[in-house]
Amino acid sequence: SYVLTQPPSVSVAPGQTARITCGGNNIGSKSVHWYRQKPGQAPALVVYDDSDRPSGIPERFSGSNSGNTATLTISRVEAGDEADYYCQVWDTSGYHVVFGGGTKLTVL
Amino acid sequence: EVLLVESGGALVQPGRSLRLSCTASAFTFDDYAMHWVRQAPGKGLEWVSSISWNSGTVAYADSVKGRFTISRDNAKNSLYLQMNSLRAEDTAFYYCAKDMRPGIGLRPLFNYWGQGTLVTVSS
Repeated sequence: SYVLTQPPSVSVAPGQTARITCGGNNIGSKSVHWYRQKPGQAPALVVYDDSDRPSGIPERFSGSNSGNTATLTISRVEAGDEADYYCQVWDTSGYHVVFGGGTKLTVL
Repeated sequence: EVLLVESGGALVQPGRSLRLSCTASAFTFDDYAMHWVRQAPGKGLEWVSSISWNSGTVAYADSVKGRFTISRDNAKNSLYLQMNSLRAEDTAFYYCAKDMRPGIGLRPLFNYWGQGTLVTVSS
């Protein structure tokens, strides 16, 4: 089955850039979606189809996807960005949704 | 504003059954695929099941296949998850989620989520 690998944690100072990776075999051939989950809340979509943003998500959130790694980039990080972030793909060969294990973003 | 409200979560003994419901509002329910995603306390997200707009296509995680059944009633704007032969490892918050893109088939992308309902499987 298809596996997505994320670092358990990423730390960044306010105002800096956070990069959260999502590794998978030839993930560049798939559409990757990213979700943010703050404590006690349901997840929320922040980037879809590798690099598109839903309405209401600031331009500070961007994504890329190539080869075996997709990346969520958060520019000018704010305290309110502190959350767990998950990547997700649709594995058409197994007809399964796959989530990464999640990355906890800590704003120092 | 799109609203998804899950219900039916409870404390249940191993081997028993439970049916979850999700009531949707503020969008054309029968235009969109719908999904269930769960999250064990303190753990990551785990996809459970998806159903296309017309119930013609369904998909299940291996961990629940043969035990859980997803269904929908478009006339009632409702999504369901029938859970049989429950196990301790099924303990989780269960979220109902709406697909972002209308149309046939499944290409799951979750743009709205409910607040979740807690299922606890324990003797």
